[in-house]
Amino acid sequence: SAVISQKPSRDICQRGTSLTIQCQVDSQVTMMFWYRQQPGQSLTLIATANQGSEATYESGFVIDKFPISRPNLTFSTLTVSNMSPEDSSIYLCSVEWQGDNSTDTQYFGPGTRLTVL
Amino acid sequence: SQQGEEDPQALSIQEGENATMNCSYKTSINNLQWYRQNSGRGLVHLILIRSNEREKHSGRLRVTLDTSKKSSSLLITASRAADTASYFCAHLSNDYKLSFGAGTTVTVRA
Repeated sequence: SAVISQKPSRDICQRGTSLTIQCQVDSQVTMMFWYRQQPGQSLTLIATANQGSEATYESGFVIDKFPISRPNLTFSTLTVSNMSPEDSSIYLCSVEWQGDNSTDTQYFGPGTRLTVL
Repeated sequence: SQQGEEDPQALSIQEGENATMNCSYKTSINNLQWYRQNSGRGLVHLILIRSNEREKHSGRLRVTLDTSKKSSSLLITASRAADTASYFCAHLSNDYKLSFGAGTTVTVRA
């Protein structure tokens, strides 16, 4: 399986500011994803981070609010822009890993807990 | 991504007992995966069952899949205090997007 790290692990930010979250994988992977988990809720897919092209956003998420970079096959960033308290969530990156059985398993990073005041 | 449903929302059991949680979904799937999350941390992948499989075991975990009913169950046998966590099912649909259920919070009492 892939080993995924995220930075920062947590942050407290003021409204109106932006935060960039980094996701690093120890192996080259084709598919990387960003999810949001609001307090007490399940995970919602924000976007698929595509290497060499613009991210693919899910309904309800836009590039201006959540710009994503994917400069190579092991790294991606998610920026939460112009934050408001409603953006307080855990943000998680994941990668799709095809093991020996060629199954589409997704492994997740440890998450970034964001609190916006 | 369309979320599935899970039940129960919360489960409290005594150490040594079995815990069963269920998951339903609405679309056609490639596979269904179960994850554990401890205290709002990252998700730990537990087990994956493919759409053409009906049952799978991994240690104390047993997963079933009924594609005709669009449902899955996760059984944890001989539970331990360390099994206290939230458990999520997630199905991979044919568009290769992973959709998560609402989750079941399991508390194992010592």
